[in-house]
Amino acid sequence: AQKVTQAQTEISVVEKEDVTLDCVYETRDTTYYLFWYKQPPSGELVFLIRRNSFDEQNEISGRYSWNFQKSTSSFNFTITASQVVDSAVYFCALSESQFYFGTGTSLTVIP
Amino acid sequence: GAVVSQHPSWVICKSGTSVKIECRSLDFQATTMFWYRQFPKQSLMLMATSNEGSKATYEQGVEKDKFLINHASLTLSTLTVTSAHPEDSSFYICSAAPLAGRSSYEQYFGPGTRLTVT
Repeated sequence: AQKVTQAQTEISVVEKEDVTLDCVYETRDTTYYLFWYKQPPSGELVFLIRRNSFDEQNEISGRYSWNFQKSTSSFNFTITASQVVDSAVYFCALSESQFYFGTGTSLTVIP
Repeated sequence: GAVVSQHPSWVICKSGTSVKIECRSLDFQATTMFWYRQFPKQSLMLMATSNEGSKATYEQGVEKDKFLINHASLTLSTLTVTSAHPEDSSFYICSAAPLAGRSSYEQYFGPGTRLTVT
């Protein structure tokens, strides 16, 4: 069974639109961590955020925001006013004893 | 801080040859290092976990005799793909965890190595 599900395989938006990337996870642990990474065409993973299971506070960092809801096991990521440079593959990941990556969402921002 | 490097960044080799990929933690000591493989348009899949001075633990389906991992020091782990074949062509990414017991939430990823086997 997939531990991290990113149902959106590909998303295209026009520049300046807002976009939300969905992430649903599955775990029986009470202590775990959730992550979002950005992978541009160069391939290098860029760390965006880490959230532990005890901290459900939503977070905003510039144009990025994250909505963590344990009740629905979701950790969604929103980019407001998207820009062309946001085009990349975004991975959600769950860490229990090891990392489990979702299948990724390929975001294309059209100028 | 917390920089992980990989060398080479890309390599092309002929089928049947072996290729070594290095993963270094530049400004911290890594008790545990991880090796991932990513095929085009797919996610990262954990291949193996290595702890300094001990044998690597391989994930199910990963051939330990084909993918040799050596974690000889607290700053260096190497992955050797032996007798490479075209199906081994992939993007290999390592990560390093700075402290024992915290690898579940503190891993730093290298920039990856793109291997093409012709």
